[in-house]
Amino acid sequence: DTEVAQTPKHLVMGMTNKKSLKCEQHMGHRAMYWYKQKAKKPPELMFVYSYEKLSINESVPSRFSPECPNSSLLNLHLHALQPEDSALYLCASSQDWAGPEAFFGQGTRLTVV
Amino acid sequence: AQTVTQSQPEMSVQEAETVTLSCTYDTSENNYYLFWYKQPPSRQMILVIRQEAYKQQNATENRFSVNFQKAAKSFSLKISDSQLGDTAMYFCAFMKFGSSNTGKLIFGQGTTLQVKP
Repeated sequence: DTEVAQTPKHLVMGMTNKKSLKCEQHMGHRAMYWYKQKAKKPPELMFVYSYEKLSINESVPSRFSPECPNSSLLNLHLHALQPEDSALYLCASSQDWAGPEAFFGQGTRLTVV
Repeated sequence: AQTVTQSQPEMSVQEAETVTLSCTYDTSENNYYLFWYKQPPSRQMILVIRQEAYKQQNATENRFSVNFQKAAKSFSLKISDSQLGDTAMYFCAFMKFGSSNTGKLIFGQGTTLQVKP
C-alpha cells in the first residue's frame, strides 16, 4: 500500500467553525508533513512530524493545530480560520526525516467563508 | 538558504515529441537530493524522478530523464515521446540530507506543461 489517504476531499467552513483534516498512511513511514498550496503556486511546508513528535513548525498561526496520534495518522485541527486560509492542504509522508521520497495525498480543498 | 528557480511558467508540446523543462537552484550544501514532481489536475503530487547530488550519472525513469549539472546548479527534465497524460504542473524541488536534514522540500514556482494532440 503506497497511498497517503486524506479526508475530506473538499471542505467548506465558516470563520467560527472548528474542523479537522485527516491524513493516514500504512507504509510504515515515520515522518509526516502538512503543506499548504495556493492555486498555481508551489506547496509551502507548514509542519513536520518525525517519530510522532513535532519537529518543525514553520511559524504557522495558532489557528492551525497539528496532531499525530500514532505513526500512521496525522490530523490538522482548524479553528477561527480566515478567508485567506482557503487553499489546498496536502499531507505527505516519507520513510523518516531523511526522506528521501515524499509521498503525497490528494489533498483537501478548503474554502473558508 | 536554498532557492529553486523554474524560469518557464508555461510550456506546450505536441504529442510524441520531446520537451525539456528547466530548473536551477542555489545552495551552499554539498549533500542534497533534487526531485521533479508532477501535479495533474487531480491535485496529487507524484514523484517523477530523483537525483542524488553525489551521483554523477543522470537519473532516468522510462520516458523521463534529467540533465544534472552540479557545478552549474542546473537540473533540467526531459520528457520523451510526450503523452496526453503528461499534461500537468511540474515542480522542481530540493532537499538537503545529512545531519542538518529536516525532510523539508523546497519547491520552484512550477511549469505548467500542456501536451497537445
